[in-house]
Amino acid sequence: EDKVVQSPLSLVVHEGDTVTLNCSYEVTNFRSLLWYKQEKKAPTFLFMLTSSGIEKKSGRLSSILDKKELSSILNITATQTGDSAIYLCAGPNDMRFGAGTRLTVKP
Amino acid sequence: SQTIHQWPATLVQPVGSPLSLECTVEGTSNPNLYWYRQAAGRGLQLLFYSVGIGQISSEVPQNLSASRPQDRQFILSSKKLLLSDSGFYLCAWQGALNQPQHFGDGTRLSIL
Repeated sequence: EDKVVQSPLSLVVHEGDTVTLNCSYEVTNFRSLLWYKQEKKAPTFLFMLTSSGIEKKSGRLSSILDKKELSSILNITATQTGDSAIYLCAGPNDMRFGAGTRLTVKP
Repeated sequence: SQTIHQWPATLVQPVGSPLSLECTVEGTSNPNLYWYRQAAGRGLQLLFYSVGIGQISSEVPQNLSASRPQDRQFILSSKKLLLSDSGFYLCAWQGALNQPQHFGDGTRLSIL
């Protein structure tokens, strides 16, 4: 059975810090890996990764996939309190989610 | 543009009562549809998904069932709720496999 594991489960940082969130997967038929941000209700899409080694970037957030290591990281630089959320990793078949990383950014 | 609606937003039900949660999508045709349950502050557990009218796949044996009576309507049901059915239920649509999913605002279900 496909499996997605995220770490850490919880993280508390101060504004301005840089954080790295991890996602590893076990898969029989990889298609893509996706990152979502969930603040209160609906998760919102951040990145979809299909190719190894190609960084996707959006503002202070970036993500990269390593197919050899079966993993992905999500980096957030210069964190702000608005980055506080649960970050969810999903894939590789789009339906399997990890347990999420709860990020708290303190002022 | 596409939108997804879920209702109700919150629901409090007694143990043993029936359940019907509805999800509808606008602005797209033949979407893949999903129901997830989320325990407090944790990840999403896939419950059901559908690739077309009347086509339902179940991921986890449980007290719940799903139906897709129309192309853009997905319903989550139960005949008799259990305490363990409490949680946050999310519906999502997807244009095709290997595309991002788009989520509704969820239903917070409390069983008393």
